[in-house]
Amino acid sequence: SAVISQKPSRDICQRGTSLTIQCQVDSQVTMMFWYRQQPGQSLTLIATANQGSEATYESGFVIDKFPISRPNLTFSTLTVSNMSPEDSSIYLCSVEVYQNYEQYFGPGTRLTVT
Amino acid sequence: GIQVEQSPPDLILQEGANSTLRCNFSDSVNNLQWFHQNPWGQLINLFYIPSGTKQNGRLSATTVATERYSLLYISSSQTTDSGVYFCAVFPKTSYDKVIFGPGTSLSVIP
Repeated sequence: SAVISQKPSRDICQRGTSLTIQCQVDSQVTMMFWYRQQPGQSLTLIATANQGSEATYESGFVIDKFPISRPNLTFSTLTVSNMSPEDSSIYLCSVEVYQNYEQYFGPGTRLTVT
Repeated sequence: GIQVEQSPPDLILQEGANSTLRCNFSDSVNNLQWFHQNPWGQLINLFYIPSGTKQNGRLSATTVATERYSLLYISSSQTTDSGVYFCAVFPKTSYDKVIFGPGTSLSVIP
């Protein structure tokens, strides 16, 4: 398995500002993923972040709104830019540890935009 | 793309009762996982089960890949089992695109 931490665990932000979420893993992993979970909904993949390459974004998500960094094999950040109340969600990072498609999730960041 | 369905969408159980949750998927998959999201939002890995049957305490899961479904069994339910249960699949045709089902919301009452 993997131990994954996220910072911050929750935040309340003003409309128009940006928030950077950090994801730290206790072992080196190739594949890291960022998800969004809107209230009462399932998880939606935002992007895949591989070290040494640009993140790959899913349909409906763009780099200008959700820039991602992946500076090494144990760390990644997701920035939610120019926030609006519609961005209020739980943001989760996950990793694939054993290269067998099995994923482990961090505890999530609960974001409220007012 | 692949479709993932879960049933029932909502379930209320008396403590001690048993239940079966179902996940149907429309195409071949490399992996299927079951997760429990507790009331605090934490996603907990329950099973990694692309095929076959596994058991872990009061929980067990079966995936019949050829028929494209998976079942999660909860026996002797406890109030701590409350939360949302998700199945998630890795389609064979799309390596990086994990698809989550809509979830089953379970409430166990004393």
